[in-house]
Amino acid sequence: GNSVTQMEGPVTLSEEAFLTINCTYTATGYPSLFWYVQYPGEGLQLLLKATKADDKGSNKGFEATYRKETTSFHLEKGSVQVSDSAVYFCALSAPDLKTSYDKVIFGPGTSLSVIP
Amino acid sequence: DAGITQSPRYKITETGRQVTLMCHQTWSHSYMFWYRQDLGHGLRLIYYSAAADITDKGEVPDGYVVSRSKTENFPLTLESATRSQTSVYFCASSEWQGAPYEQFFGPGTRLTVL
Repeated sequence: GNSVTQMEGPVTLSEEAFLTINCTYTATGYPSLFWYVQYPGEGLQLLLKATKADDKGSNKGFEATYRKETTSFHLEKGSVQVSDSAVYFCALSAPDLKTSYDKVIFGPGTSLSVIP
Repeated sequence: DAGITQSPRYKITETGRQVTLMCHQTWSHSYMFWYRQDLGHGLRLIYYSAAADITDKGEVPDGYVVSRSKTENFPLTLESATRSQTSVYFCASSEWQGAPYEQFFGPGTRLTVL
């Protein structure tokens, strides 16, 4: 079945460091890919998305490129800030063969702490 | 205020009691979802609804009941709470299902079952 794998956390970085959070997926067909972010005490919110191969999603300095050949959607940011401390979830959306609805599958999340 | 709200934000209950978690959205989104978030498991879908009076099971539906008599409300009921249902519960809504439509999440309800 479809699945999403993320790098284990927690990740701790100093302010202005480069961030990479790895995400790989397994899916039949052509899923759409998302990164959601969860700030402390809040619900998830969409950070960026890509709907087809080679698309690059970007928002708030974060970027991720849909790589079909490596089934990956790694999240990157060139210079992190303390305010980026949060949990980041990779997710995919693909048709569910049992229901014919698109099903969203979330990865386990990666906790990021940025220290001054 | 526009958006998606959940109540209560925190709830402590005892094993065997019935608990209802409320979810309300103001966008008139067709789809609504209930997830639970647990360490090591990420987010798992409990139930979802495609429209009023249409609901379907997700990944972990056992022990939960949902209803959707109005588009804007999607309550989740634990008929007889168990300790394993201690979790953070998130409600979400979406204009449509799947890509490229994002899901909008509520702030969550932290439920503790003693």
